[in-house]
Amino acid sequence: EAQVTQNPRYLITVTGKKLTVTCSQNMNHEYMSWYRQDPGLGLRQIYYSMNVEVTDKGDVPEGYKVSRKEKRNFPLILESPSPNQTSLYFCASGFLSAGNGYTFGSGTRLTVV
Amino acid sequence: GQNIDQPTEMTATEGAIVQINCTYQTSGFNGLFWYQQHAGEAPTFLSYNVLDGLEEKGRFSSFLSRSKGYSYLLLKELQMKDSASYLCAVRSHSGGYQKVTFGTGTKLQVIP
Repeated sequence: EAQVTQNPRYLITVTGKKLTVTCSQNMNHEYMSWYRQDPGLGLRQIYYSMNVEVTDKGDVPEGYKVSRKEKRNFPLILESPSPNQTSLYFCASGFLSAGNGYTFGSGTRLTVV
Repeated sequence: GQNIDQPTEMTATEGAIVQINCTYQTSGFNGLFWYQQHAGEAPTFLSYNVLDGLEEKGRFSSFLSRSKGYSYLLLKELQMKDSASYLCAVRSHSGGYQKVTFGTGTKLQVIP
């Protein structure tokens, strides 16, 4: 089944404790992206990647890191999480042509205390 | 930067037609998406417009005017399950890279 898999679905952590949210897709998509979704602010792009080893900042990259060492994986790293990073995170992937849109993962609800 | 505007909320009656508007300002426009998102779920792709005009997909249609920075999503024969948020998103070039920016979404409530 074609899908984008995010893990974990839910995570509660403490301020400053490094964490990684994984994202994997099995559709050979070139484009992958991370978003956070907050009430009243909508989906905001954190980082995106157009192919292996090609990444760029979105609109809200501060406090996040990403890597794209393999085409299928695009992990999101929070080196030192803070409470303002409490949010719902989505990973998405698609072909660069974008004609069929992007497929989203199920989301990761992160709480930083 | 990019600016995307869409109404916050709309209400429509089951069986009716509703039009959700989206206006945008961006440099390097490279396409506009519409997504549907039910509460607590991931967004799902509805349509993609890169050229001016109307694209029809069953009960859903999407229109784009690049010169006016304007799009709309048209939902016909509304069903209760269409109650959801509808997200407009713009793709743009930026120095050889591509960014996608979402509007804050329009929450549609379908009533009997």
